[in-house]
Amino acid sequence: NAGVTQTPKFQVLKTGQSMTLQCAQDMNHEYMSWYRQDPGMGLRLIHYSVGAGITDQGEVPNGYNVSRSTTEDFPLRLLSAAPSQTSVYFCASRGRSGYQPQHFGDGTRLSIL
Amino acid sequence: EDKVVQSPLSLVVHEGDTVTLNCSYEVTNFRSLLWYKQEKKAPTFLFMLTSSGIEKKSGRLSSILDKKELFSILNITATQTGDSAVYLCAVEKGGSEKLVFGKGTKLTVNP
Repeated sequence: NAGVTQTPKFQVLKTGQSMTLQCAQDMNHEYMSWYRQDPGMGLRLIHYSVGAGITDQGEVPNGYNVSRSTTEDFPLRLLSAAPSQTSVYFCASRGRSGYQPQHFGDGTRLSIL
Repeated sequence: EDKVVQSPLSLVVHEGDTVTLNCSYEVTNFRSLLWYKQEKKAPTFLFMLTSSGIEKKSGRLSSILDKKELFSILNITATQTGDSAVYLCAVEKGGSEKLVFGKGTKLTVNP
């Protein structure tokens, strides 16, 4: 079972560059989310989606864009990378019915110089 | 402002000890509380506690939720070196997909 797959695992960018972090899930989950994890800060929600075509902002959305054209994919775009966006990024998904936990991908470690 | 506070932030014990990790929360529209274990990569799910399921147990791990006092504890008995990890507490808000995380408790179990 693939679960939640994130690519790439590591990336180094220069300030001002743009890039897309990929997230795909094969569990037919309606809900998908992006978090960033920084030392001493825990995980903070960037953007989330409750289904294809529907996205909303989380706690720290500035500098990031998302779209959800299919149920399976939820890419996160950095428009103009800044050193403050150096972090580990996690994608998560869960099904819609009842009480279900969010399942996380293995993360993308992003460094911005 | 929604808040989840975990204590202690770090803990060092010897194999065989019993540990209790704490999580208190102030979150509007509480739906559920989740515990995750994070080693090197992805947080892995341990327990979900809701209004209808306030106590969970799996092997040496157990957790309870006190909705009146707004806290949860995670107990690990007979700890092993493989229990060394960061344990994350998160509260899910109803009506959204938002998880509010605490900063985690780093547990180190020495042989």
